[in-house]
Amino acid sequence: GQQVMQIPQYQHVQEGEDFTTYCNSSTTLSNIQWYKQRPGGHPVFLIQLVKSGEVKKQKRLTFQFGEAKKNSSLHITATQTTDVGTYFCAGQDTDKLIFGTGTRLQVFP
Amino acid sequence: EAQVTQNPRYLITVTGKKLTVTCSQNMNHEYMSWYRQDPGLGLRQIYYSMNVEVTDKGDVPEGYKVSRKEKRNFPLILESPSPNQTSLYFCATWTAQETQYFGPGTRLLVL
Repeated sequence: GQQVMQIPQYQHVQEGEDFTTYCNSSTTLSNIQWYKQRPGGHPVFLIQLVKSGEVKKQKRLTFQFGEAKKNSSLHITATQTTDVGTYFCAGQDTDKLIFGTGTRLQVFP
Repeated sequence: EAQVTQNPRYLITVTGKKLTVTCSQNMNHEYMSWYRQDPGLGLRQIYYSMNVEVTDKGDVPEGYKVSRKEKRNFPLILESPSPNQTSLYFCATWTAQETQYFGPGTRLLVL
């Protein structure tokens, strides 16, 4: 069945450093979504990418969708302590949304 | 305000004692889903529903039941809970091509 792999599993960075998490699907996706889950919280939607090669920015966050629509990345520039949490990608294939295993980001001040 | 509510938020129970976790949404969304979240495994879909009286198995449906008698409610039923169902459970709702809204989560411990 469809699988969505996400790396790395954990990332510790010093405040101000950049951070990137990568997402790879075994199948072509109709779209990909990114969510952030703060410690003790629930996943909260960040963005959706639909087009091949699409790049979207939200302040310090840059999201990319691969040309083949099978991979995606989230890059955070100059991390802050408020960026702490687990970032999930979720690939949509027909009616199902398959979540990646997540990348837990820890930011040290 | 768009809301997905789950009850209870925390539950400790014993093996074999039937329990129900309720989920309710006020957004009139067709789609609803249940996930379980376990360390290192991310979010795994248990069941989902595309509309009233329509439910389908997700990736890990064993040991769970759901029902969708009304659009706003999608309860998760554990007929005979076992310790391997100890987990954090999330209900989510969405419409076609839109994002998922998650409930606050239910933390379940089965002894």
